[in-house]
Amino acid sequence: AQSVTQLGSHVSVSEGALVLLRCNYSSSVPPYLFWYVQYPNQGLQLLLKYTSAATLVKGINGFEAEFKKSETSFHLTKPSAHMSDAAEYFCAVSETGYQKVTFGIGTKLQVIP
Amino acid sequence: DTAVSQTPKYLVTQMGNDKSIKCEQNLGHDTMYWYKQDSKKFLKIMFSYNNKELIINETVPNRFSPKSPDKAHLNLHINSLELGDSAVYFCASSQRQDATEAFFGQGTRLTVV
Repeated sequence: AQSVTQLGSHVSVSEGALVLLRCNYSSSVPPYLFWYVQYPNQGLQLLLKYTSAATLVKGINGFEAEFKKSETSFHLTKPSAHMSDAAEYFCAVSETGYQKVTFGIGTKLQVIP
Repeated sequence: DTAVSQTPKYLVTQMGNDKSIKCEQNLGHDTMYWYKQDSKKFLKIMFSYNNKELIINETVPNRFSPKSPDKAHLNLHINSLELGDSAVYFCASSQRQDATEAFFGQGTRLTVV
C-alpha cells in the first residue's frame, strides 16, 4: 500500500533562507511522486512531479525535489525563501497504474521577514 | 478561463438537510475526482470517475452519491448531512487514469450546523 509521511507540520524560515520540506514515501511499486502547494482559500496547485525520469525534478517558483530511492525520500527545496512562498505544501504518491493519489498531512511553511 | 470550477464556494446548512456540490472541468480530461479535506488539512480521496464510470469509491458513507452526467461534470450529492461532514471538498481532474497530474478546483467549504 502506498503512503506518505511529511516530517514537520510547521516549518519556519527567514526570508532568503533555504527551504527544506521533508517527505518520505512507501510504495510497493515504482511510484509517481508529487508536491502540491495550497495558498489560503485556494485549491491545490501542482509544484512538480516525479515520473521515473530524472531524479532531480525542477518545478515552478524555483522549487525542486530529488527522488532518492535508497532513502525513500522526495524532499522539496528552494535556495532562497520568498514571502510569497508562505503556504501549505502537500507531498503525494501514486503507484504506477493506479489512479488513487495519497496525500501527506501537509507542511505549513511560514516565511519570516 | 477557470479549468476546474466548483459551486458553491461556501455552503452552510443544517443537520439532516440534503445538498449538492457541482463541478465542471473544461480541460477535456477523462478522469475526475472528489477529495475531502478535514479541519486538520488531511486530504483524502472519496471518488474517482473515468469517462462517467465510477473507478474509485473509498470507504465513504452511502449518504454521499457522486453523479457524472458527462465526462466534464462530476457532482456530489450528500443526503442527511451530519456535523462530521463539515470540511472542504475539492474536485479535481486529470487527463488519464494514472493521475500523473491533477488539477484542483478552489474547493467548497461545507459547514453543517
